[in-house]
Amino acid sequence: DTAVSQTPKYLVTQMGNDKSIKCEQNLGHDTMYWYKQDSKKFLKIMFSYNNKELIINETVPNRFSPKSPDKAHLNLHINSLELGDSAVYFCASSRRAPAYNSPLHFGNGTRLTVT
Amino acid sequence: DQQVKQNSPSLSVQEGRISILNCDYTNSMFDYFLWYKKYPAEGPTFLISISSIKDKNEDGRFTVFLNKSAKHLSLHIVPSQPGDSAVYFCAARKNYGGSQGNLIFGKGTKLSVKP
Repeated sequence: DTAVSQTPKYLVTQMGNDKSIKCEQNLGHDTMYWYKQDSKKFLKIMFSYNNKELIINETVPNRFSPKSPDKAHLNLHINSLELGDSAVYFCASSRRAPAYNSPLHFGNGTRLTVT
Repeated sequence: DQQVKQNSPSLSVQEGRISILNCDYTNSMFDYFLWYKKYPAEGPTFLISISSIKDKNEDGRFTVFLNKSAKHLSLHIVPSQPGDSAVYFCAARKNYGGSQGNLIFGKGTKLSVKP
């Protein structure tokens, strides 16, 4: 039973394309996140949703648009992909909003390569 | 600017000995600190945490120490086991401003425990 699952695991695409990464959690958590791990290995938050509402939106280009159809799903759509978007994207969830001491549960990541 | 720093990219320890992983931070407003462990091709998994009002938290073989005056925390693993070989990320919670609960991660330290 995968707690936080994201698909696809690998995504190779060309510059200018639009792509989506899907994420689902079966933990019954209220909050979901997208993190990006860049080539320097830093894990940085992109977005956070609590009960389908956006609560954290770090400085991310408008080409990135999260969508939360329900609190178990948080998908990431990326328009007009650029070389610099190449990274590993991690979905995560937590039982409560991040201001509380709820540890994150991460998916296994999606390695996006833009050529 | 790196607000959470893990200055040792790697650490090698003999099985049975103590592993000490270090983390420094710059922002005195951080109120909660966490350690995550990551195996290759998997997402980070939560290991242990500590609130800024404490100076020590212990869970089995894992102990986290917090020195607020030095803005330093460390993770001790005793005794170290080969299965502990992984990348360890230190994270600090930013619980103020517009991004309450945002976790700031360090770059990670790769621990190798040799049999």
